[in-house]
Amino acid sequence: GAVVSQHPSRVICKSGTSVKIECRSLDFQATTMFWYRQFPKQSLMLMATSNEGSKATYEQGVEKDKFLINHASLTLSTLTVTSAHPEDSSFYICSARTGGQGRNSPLHFGNGTRLTVT
Amino acid sequence: RKEVEQDPGPFNVPEGATVAFNCTYSNSASQSFFWYRQDCRKEPKLLMSVYSSGNEDGRFTAQLNRASQYISLLIRDSKLSDSATYLCVVNPQNDMRFGAGTRLTVKP
Repeated sequence: GAVVSQHPSRVICKSGTSVKIECRSLDFQATTMFWYRQFPKQSLMLMATSNEGSKATYEQGVEKDKFLINHASLTLSTLTVTSAHPEDSSFYICSARTGGQGRNSPLHFGNGTRLTVT
Repeated sequence: RKEVEQDPGPFNVPEGATVAFNCTYSNSASQSFFWYRQDCRKEPKLLMSVYSSGNEDGRFTAQLNRASQYISLLIRDSKLSDSATYLCVVNPQNDMRFGAGTRLTVKP
């Protein structure tokens, strides 16, 4: 089946530093990838849609200058949390669709990155 | 109103029980629907897609009611391994919107 690999799975950083999270589609090309965030006991919240070769589309309330997204190839999207603060501590998950941008195809998720900012 | 709403749960059921989850969505233009399960501190995994005519996969049955804008998931003969959070997912545009999830605990 389709595999989405996310790295790192866990990161602890100090307040004010930046953290980069990578999301790779291993056996398919993903023109679009999605970045979600999940706080404890809450649902996944879409942060942004990452489009290969163009700018990401951010959801309302998500700061694009704080959460930098780069989708430089069909198999790699990165999310950089800049100047991280403790309130950014969360579970970040990327996902991608197989079947191009077919709306009826399900999402496949990376294994997530648990970020803790001290 | 939230785009996708689910029974908050939690549902605590004995092994072998039948349990049903419901989910409503607000965007009538939504085209595709899914149920995912998420184990504690893990990523969501696709359980099944939901088709207009309803579909079954072993002990799991999913149904869609477009007129009332809700989908359901029925789990028969529940197992301990079914304990997880079940997420209703709706695709209104080219993205996915998740419900808050319903937590299920199956007890021996």
